[in-house]
Amino acid sequence: QQPVQSPQAVILREGEDAVINCSSSKALYSVHWYRQKHGEAPIFLMILLKGGEQKGHDKISASFNEKKQQSSLYLTASQLSYSGTYFCGTEQGGSEKLVFGKGTKLTVNP
Amino acid sequence: DGGITQSPKYLFRKEGQNVTLSCEQNLNHDAMYWYRQDPGQGLRLIYYSQIVNDFQKGDIAEGYSVSREKKESFPLTVTSAQKNPTAFYLCASTNRGYNEQFFGPGTRLTVL
Repeated sequence: QQPVQSPQAVILREGEDAVINCSSSKALYSVHWYRQKHGEAPIFLMILLKGGEQKGHDKISASFNEKKQQSSLYLTASQLSYSGTYFCGTEQGGSEKLVFGKGTKLTVNP
Repeated sequence: DGGITQSPKYLFRKEGQNVTLSCEQNLNHDAMYWYRQDPGQGLRLIYYSQIVNDFQKGDIAEGYSVSREKKESFPLTVTSAQKNPTAFYLCASTNRGYNEQFFGPGTRLTVL
C-alpha cells in the first residue's frame, strides 16, 4: 500500500521552515527519506526505525510515530540546495523492500 | 570509487523490441532493486533480489524480466509485453537490514 505524502508541493523563501508528512495505513517497520533533483538519482537522507525515534542531519530532522504509522520530515532554515522532490519509503513487515510515496516537490527561492 | 552504474543514460527503442538495461554495483551489496519512475507517481518497484540466483516480483513486474547470476549485476529486460515502457528506470542496492538504498544515475527509456 503506497504511503500518502502531504503536501504535494511547497514553495519557500530561503531561511523558512517546512514540514513534509508521510502516512501509511499499514504497520511500519521503518521509514526512509530521500531527496531527488530533477533527472538525477535519489539521495538518502535518513532512516527511522519503529519506536518513535527522531533523527537529525544538519538542519533536517525527522520523526516516526509508530502508533499512528506516520513520519514527518522537518526542514529548518531552508537553503537553496534543499530544492527537489522528497520521497518517503516505507517498509512493511520486515519485507526488506520499500514502498515509496508520490513525493513532495519543494522549491526554495532566494 | 564504489557505486552503482547504469548504462546507457538515454535509450531509444522501437515498439515491439525487447531491450535490456544494465545495472552494476561494486559496493558488495547483497540486495538489488529495479524501480520505474513516471511523473507524479513516485518510485514503483519492478523486481528485487536479495541474493544471487534469486529474485522476487515487485508491484509492477508484468512485462519485465531480470536475472541475478552475479552479485554485482542485475540486468532488467523490458519486453514487448510491457504496454507503456517509456519511463525513467532506477537501479538501487543495499546491504540487507535497515540500511539506505544507494541509487544509480538512471536510464531514461523512450519507446517510439
